[in-house]
Amino acid sequence: NAGVTQTPKFQVLKTGQSMTLQCAQDMNHEYMSWYRQDPGMGLRLIHYSVGAGITDQGEVPNGYNVSRSTTEDFPLRLLSAAPSQTSVYFCASSYSKPMNTEAFFGQGTRLTVV
Amino acid sequence: TQLLEQSPQFLSIQEGENLTVYCNSSSVFSSLQWYRQEPGEGPVLLVTVVTGGEVKKLKRLTFQFGDARKDSSLHITAAQPGDTGLYLCAGGRGANNLFFGTGTRLTVIP
Repeated sequence: NAGVTQTPKFQVLKTGQSMTLQCAQDMNHEYMSWYRQDPGMGLRLIHYSVGAGITDQGEVPNGYNVSRSTTEDFPLRLLSAAPSQTSVYFCASSYSKPMNTEAFFGQGTRLTVV
Repeated sequence: TQLLEQSPQFLSIQEGENLTVYCNSSSVFSSLQWYRQEPGEGPVLLVTVVTGGEVKKLKRLTFQFGDARKDSSLHITAAQPGDTGLYLCAGGRGANNLFFGTGTRLTVIP
């Protein structure tokens, strides 16, 4: 049972480049979320989805897009990378609302924008 | 501005000592979770508390949710090197948002 799988694990981008961070879960969870983790700031919610075809913004959505065409996949797109987007990105999934049940996290993608 | 502030930010103690980590906010939360994160890994849930004043125990770890549901504490008894990690509190607000605290990095020295 793989759980939540994120790819790639590491990525270096030049300012202005675009890329997609992949996230897949095999637990048939409805809820999926993307967080970024910066030193001294914990994790901040970027976007989330409560089911296939439904997405919404979190605390820090600017510069990021998401889509949810299937239950399993929830990719995060950086349209034009900026140095301020250097961070560690985590994808999470949960059976229901994450504050009421256990959220399972991937291993993270460490992104550096130069 | 962080919704949840944790203290201390860093903590280094000797094996066998006791410690308490605090998670404070001026906002009310519907639930409060504690996670532990190890280097190179995502956070892993330790506990969820939902009722003001609730106390939950997980072996040597004791979690308490404040009466007003604005704060929480994590107490570890007789810390062991395996307890080393980043401890994060997270509060539920709104329909689907989970807000994370600033984190406490614990090092237990053998």
